[in-house]
Amino acid sequence: QVQLQESGPGLVKPSQTLSLTCTVSGGSISSGSYYWSWIRQPAGKGLEWIGRIYTSGSTNYNPSLKSRVTISVDTSKNQFSLKLSSVTAADTAVYYCARASRGSYIDYWGQGTLVTVSS
Amino acid sequence: QSALTQPASVSGSPGQSITISCTGTSSDVGGYNYVSWYQQHPGKAPKLMIYDVSKRPSGVSNRFSGSKSGNTASLTISGLQAEDEADYYCCSYAGSSTWVFGGGTKLTVL
Repeated sequence: QVQLQESGPGLVKPSQTLSLTCTVSGGSISSGSYYWSWIRQPAGKGLEWIGRIYTSGSTNYNPSLKSRVTISVDTSKNQFSLKLSSVTAADTAVYYCARASRGSYIDYWGQGTLVTVSS
Repeated sequence: QSALTQPASVSGSPGQSITISCTGTSSDVGGYNYVSWYQQHPGKAPKLMIYDVSKRPSGVSNRFSGSKSGNTASLTISGLQAEDEADYYCCSYAGSSTWVFGGGTKLTVL
């Protein structure tokens, strides 16, 4: 059973960079045709797809966030990461890491981690 | 890339059937058979209920079904049960290796 766990600071100052890591257990991040993804959800609002990475390092990003987002993978640690620069209060949300199968649907989700942007 | 349109809320009584719509454009929902649906209970991570428009993952009740017509996808829940009360989100491939979610629908079981 694949499990994903987000980790990182719960509080980030405006204009700084939000950094989160997702640790994958129960399977190798390098095996299979999976895309490792980040999704966020502001309190009381809907889900927003942030982007994804394949184990080859190939990335795809939400056009509205593309200029500020970087997703990377560390296969030796079975982890992938999210960096979101120049954050504002609008970036306050629960951030989920997830696995997308065949790139077409998300079958495993982390529990989510709340990141608050505030001074 | 705009969010897909879902009704803010739907409701039904136990045993009834309800349908949640998800409207996009020919660039997302209408252009690809990659629509998925997720159920989210308060404070929990979303759970996959339907993928590739109408396929059900192992372990998901056959009371859940999906379909698509043109630019609108639909999730139907038959034989409503109290535990079905949750938020539901659709998601579609939007071209250029990007994905878009719907705004979410709150299902209330009366």
